[in-house]
Amino acid sequence: EIVLTQSPATMSLSPGERATLSCRASQSVSSYLGWYQQPPGQAPRLLIYDASNRATGIPARFSGSGSGTDFTLTISSLEPEDFAVYYCQQRSSWPRTFGQGTKLEIK
Amino acid sequence: QVQLQQWGAGLLKPSETLSLTCAVYGGSFSGYYWSWIRQPPGKGLEWIGEINHSGTINYNASLKSRTIISLDTSKNQLSLNLDSVTAADTAVYYCARHGVRGFSYWYFDLWGRGTLVTVSS
Repeated sequence: EIVLTQSPATMSLSPGERATLSCRASQSVSSYLGWYQQPPGQAPRLLIYDASNRATGIPARFSGSGSGTDFTLTISSLEPEDFAVYYCQQRSSWPRTFGQGTKLEIK
Repeated sequence: QVQLQQWGAGLLKPSETLSLTCAVYGGSFSGYYWSWIRQPPGKGLEWIGEINHSGTINYNASLKSRTIISLDTSKNQLSLNLDSVTAADTAVYYCARHGVRGFSYWYFDLWGRGTLVTVSS
């Protein structure tokens, strides 16, 4: 099973700032990694698939990069609705696995 | 607009069977994979398994011996059964549709609202 490790566990930033979230895989997943956003009390929402492709309707301030074992989700300028928990997920092999999450909180 | 509506028993005793159903409204059932994913309170996400319209199924090996995922294409419904539950199975259970083939096919692009299932004696 591929283990995904996200860092940091919690990130405190202000609206308008840039956020950079990291996800590291225990073995190469090529570019087969996605990112989700989960606001409190809601279901997750797909943001990025295959490392760098924005899902339908996702604003351009969200971008993803990386390949192999190291991936990054960048939010260029934080909006109030961006403060949530973010998860990475690999689809390189079964079982599909998720990272433990990064909580992005308002500073 | 496609919506996923879930229902099932929210409180179970240890050793009982968890049964959840997810109905698809406003969209096609075929051509997609469908998954069940769970999230223990305050914790991360765990993929349980997936099924497609043709009946191809993949399970998480950690739960496979207790899990059955099935489709009722006549009703556009997806079901999850998890046997012999314990307190460790307490979680919010989500059904989710995978994305379109050639794009986000192996990711979860549409989610149900989730059903909290609590296992307690």
